[in-house]
Amino acid sequence: DVKVTQSSRYLVKRTGEKVFLECVQDMDHENMFWYRQDPGLGLRLIYFSYDVKMKEKGDIPEGYSVSREKKERFSLILESASTNQTSMYLCASTLGSGYTFGSGTRLTVV
Amino acid sequence: AQSVTQLGSHVSVSEGALVLLRCNYSSSVPPYLFWYVQYPNQGLQLLLKYTSAATLVKGINGFEAEFKKSETSFHLTKPSAHMSDAAEYFCAVSRTGANSKLTFGKGITLSVRP
Repeated sequence: DVKVTQSSRYLVKRTGEKVFLECVQDMDHENMFWYRQDPGLGLRLIYFSYDVKMKEKGDIPEGYSVSREKKERFSLILESASTNQTSMYLCASTLGSGYTFGSGTRLTVV
Repeated sequence: AQSVTQLGSHVSVSEGALVLLRCNYSSSVPPYLFWYVQYPNQGLQLLLKYTSAATLVKGINGFEAEFKKSETSFHLTKPSAHMSDAAEYFCAVSRTGANSKLTFGKGITLSVRP
């Protein structure tokens, strides 16, 4: 089974901090995605990547950036964390038969 | 542009009763459609997907969904609810396939009463 691992399950950061959320998949998937999940809003796409060093903006990229230096790792970066970025962040990867999601990182910005 | 509408935020059924979770989509091209389930404190898991083959799609855990183009719907059903079905369910649409970006609905929480 494909595994998508998000490095932290819970994270608490201060306003203004630079925050890195890490995601690693172990099945050589080319496509990787970052979503945030908020109650009543479902999942919204932040950024995605179809290949190493490639990235594309999703629906809500403001305040975020990403990095994909290796195929298996896709990092989400909050350049200067704000309280409105408190959310559940979900990473996913796919090779054509549907997404495999990580367990999520619940980020709280105080 | 594509979008998904899941009406209501919460559905409650009795154990053994029919489960019906509604999903309507909007897409300018023939869509790929998905249902995902999220159990508490877990990531999302694929239940089933429609990729332009059979219109009635069977998934895991006894769930199925029917693609109805005329109604732009992809409702999820299960004949008999089980307590373990309590979770949040998301409908999603893609324009170009299962490996491309998905647009999700807002999700619906299913509760199952004993």
